[in-house]
Amino acid sequence: GAVVSQHPSWVICKSGTSVKIECRSLDFQATTMFWYRQFPKQSLMLMATSNEGSKATYEQGVEKDKFLINHASLTLSTLTVTSAHPEDSSFYICSAIRFGGLDTDTQYFGPGTRLTVL
Amino acid sequence: KQEVTQIPAALSVPEGENLVLNCSFTDSAIYNLQWFRQDPGKGLTSLLLIQSSQREQTSGRLNASLDKSSGRSTLYIAASQPGDSATYLCAVVSGSARQLTFGSGTQLTVLP
Repeated sequence: GAVVSQHPSWVICKSGTSVKIECRSLDFQATTMFWYRQFPKQSLMLMATSNEGSKATYEQGVEKDKFLINHASLTLSTLTVTSAHPEDSSFYICSAIRFGGLDTDTQYFGPGTRLTVL
Repeated sequence: KQEVTQIPAALSVPEGENLVLNCSFTDSAIYNLQWFRQDPGKGLTSLLLIQSSQREQTSGRLNASLDKSSGRSTLYIAASQPGDSATYLCAVVSGSARQLTFGSGTQLTVLP
């Protein structure tokens, strides 16, 4: 159990366009989801914490108007990169915490989405 | 602010060797520590999770230890195989927000 999926797994877009990435918990409900970004040969950096039904909490230095996060249901969070630029090219990974489980400090990770902005 | 450091950044060993990866963290008030494996261009695979009250966890050829008071953890890999080649990430949950903080990883190459 505790499977998290992401869609798409990779996307290539032109500069200036917007891209939406979905993160789904397939077999559990998740009140909290996280979005991370990973640049080549670097570690994961937390971008924002997403709670179902409320506004996301962004980490310092992350532009909330550029990275729009919506957590409309207990199984789905979306990250929209608006007006994407080449510097936004990165590997985006989401994670989710199981609602009501004993593993409240365990994050289950999606497989990641590779974004390339031309 | 929690900081996680992993040493070495890269490691290359011949097949069959036993090896140790190191992880240290600055704030010892953690809830748990987790070791992940990441293959190139892929997501994370959770290897071992050690709760703050535990000293070690074992899974197959992997053994992870935790010394919370000194802010250290080690991942021991026995009888390494080429298939073990990957980047190994250490991460801790800490703080009032229970955030997960990652180390920069150790890139392991096991030579056949």
